[in-house]
Amino acid sequence: QLQLQESGPGLVKPSETLSLTCTVSGGSISSSSYYWGWIRQPPGKGLEWIGSIYYSGSTYYNPSLKSRVTISVDTSKNQFSLKLSSVTAADTAVYYCARHCPGDYMDVWGKGTTVTVSS
Amino acid sequence: QSALTQPASVSGSPGQSITISCTGTSSDVGSYNLVSWYQQHPGKAPKLMIYEGSKRPSGVSNRFSGSKSGNTASLTISGLQAEDEADYYCCSYAGSSTYVVFGGGTKLTVL
Repeated sequence: QLQLQESGPGLVKPSETLSLTCTVSGGSISSSSYYWGWIRQPPGKGLEWIGSIYYSGSTYYNPSLKSRVTISVDTSKNQFSLKLSSVTAADTAVYYCARHCPGDYMDVWGKGTTVTVSS
Repeated sequence: QSALTQPASVSGSPGQSITISCTGTSSDVGSYNLVSWYQQHPGKAPKLMIYEGSKRPSGVSNRFSGSKSGNTASLTISGLQAEDEADYYCCSYAGSSTYVVFGGGTKLTVL
């Protein structure tokens, strides 16, 4: 069955760029209709959608993060990635990747990876 | 501050029914039947429980149901069980500028 797995550094310094990758297994990232998204959850707080990408490279982002976010896709590796620039302590969170369905819901989620922003 | 408003907490006894509300605006919940609900146990990833307002994914108990009236969506859990104790989040499509917004989450306690 479809599985998603986040990977990347668990610690990032302030002002640097956070980089994460989501590897999709058990299915193709090039499946039509689906987008692939990133969602985060600060400690003790709620969920925040970051952005999503189609296998063709078409993206859409949360307007509040758009100036700092880049999401890309590598269909040859069945992966998509997140870059968040100029991070601060407020970007400390568990970051999830998920399959983003046409009805704008996320039906398959990765387990999440914790990223701490600290010097 | 989240775009969608949920009560911080709700509680109920085993066997009872509870409803969690999710209030948005005419730009999101009120304009689209694209509300989804997620259950999250501590330390775990969210799990989709309801999509497109009232549809249940395969494998989700029919004790979970979703509805909408105006700018407010609701998740009802009937026949409460201990395993239902978790955080619940609503989510809605919010148009082609904002796209996707979440509620702040509701902690369900089964007494």
